[in-house]
Amino acid sequence: KAGVTQTPRYLIKTRGQQVTLSCSPISGHRSVSWYQQTPGQGLQFLFEYFSETQRNKGNFPGRFSGRQFSNSRSEMNVSTLELGDSALYLCASSRTGSTGELFFGEGSRLTVL
Amino acid sequence: QQQVKQSPQSLIVQKGGISIINCAYENTAFDYFPWYQQFPGKGPALLIAIRPDVSEKKEGRFTISFNKSAKQFSLHIMDSQPGDSATYFCAASVTGANSKLTFGKGITLSVRP
Repeated sequence: KAGVTQTPRYLIKTRGQQVTLSCSPISGHRSVSWYQQTPGQGLQFLFEYFSETQRNKGNFPGRFSGRQFSNSRSEMNVSTLELGDSALYLCASSRTGSTGELFFGEGSRLTVL
Repeated sequence: QQQVKQSPQSLIVQKGGISIINCAYENTAFDYFPWYQQFPGKGPALLIAIRPDVSEKKEGRFTISFNKSAKQFSLHIMDSQPGDSATYFCAASVTGANSKLTFGKGITLSVRP
């Protein structure tokens, strides 16, 4: 069974640009959540999507957005990039998102110059 | 406000020893407490989880102890091995929104051969 796949794995952007990250969940998983991981703040919840609807949202500015498609694949977008957005962005999937284990991908490492 | 606090920040243990990592939480609504293990270049992976209706859960060499009145829980790794060297995160969430995990800052465990 394939795990959670995130693309791209690495990317470099400059301030002011925007970026789109993609996540393919485990087959049969309908919930996709996104986390930002930085050395200073650790793992922080961005948002969760279930059946194409945003169900939960963390405390991030509106520059961070996401969506989910009918096949459960998800994308997140960060607009007007800032240096502080440099981080590892992790996607996690689960069957329902209501209970049980989250399965994480290996992440997309974003560097903003 | 950090809702989940881990201690110590780092830990060095000899092979065969016991590794103990502690976590304290503030939100009494939390009712799901997982521990995640992360190796360099990989996403976090669920190690073991507990709900507050039990005080202890054991899976192989890993044990979670839970103290509801103190709002604390801990991870014990028995017979620690060099392969256990990784970053460990405690987390907490509310049933019905398990994808919205609040993580501790993480602790780096090094097991010396």
